[in-house]
Amino acid sequence: EVQLVESGGGLVQPGGSLRLSCAASGFSFSSYWMSWVRQAPGKGLEWVAYISQDGSEKYYVDSVKGRFTISRDNAKKSLYLQMNSLSAEDTAVYYCVRVDLQKWLLRGWFNPWGQGTLVTVSS
Amino acid sequence: QSALTQPASVSGSPGQSISISCTGTSSDSSDVGDFKSVSWYQQHPGKAPRLIIYDVNTRPPGVSNRFSASKSGNTASLTISGLQTEDEADYFCGSYTSNFTWIFGGGTKLTVL
Repeated sequence: EVQLVESGGGLVQPGGSLRLSCAASGFSFSSYWMSWVRQAPGKGLEWVAYISQDGSEKYYVDSVKGRFTISRDNAKKSLYLQMNSLSAEDTAVYYCVRVDLQKWLLRGWFNPWGQGTLVTVSS
Repeated sequence: QSALTQPASVSGSPGQSISISCTGTSSDSSDVGDFKSVSWYQQHPGKAPRLIIYDVNTRPPGVSNRFSASKSGNTASLTISGLQTEDEADYFCGSYTSNFTWIFGGGTKLTVL
């Protein structure tokens, strides 16, 4: 069974940092693009970042560029999101998601999703 | 990056069919209009989203055939037939773009009356 388990969320002050982790199991982790998608309380989904199988390609939504860094460790089957300079607007549940992607054919979708980890930015 | 437009809410009675639209901005080629890669996600309260449609109209294994989808021009549509109480959830459309980013619709709350 494919499983994605996030950890590392919590309460952080504005301007602070947090590192999220995602442990993957049940599939060939190194064969898939991976992504973080977030959802602010009561709001819709927002794609945050995604990373290629070997970590050489990374893409970010404009609002987190320069502040967030996505990375992965294929040996540990783990995905990470380093979040710096956090603000209240970053408060959300962060989901780790496996990506089915054929980049140059512009075909892609998110499946499956982890259970999410809540990040709250507040003083 | 503009979002895709969905109705905020739809409702239906058990056994009925409903449709949810997902419209991209016609002036922006990097969304649902030009590409095949539209997907739909179901989210029950307090749960993670679940993929129910990908590649415009393909169901993953395990998804009921009561869920179907299509696309015409810059509008994609999700149809749920034979509504059941467990279908009550939020539904999001999503699309991969030519900028190698993703956009989502704002979500539609389905109420089964």
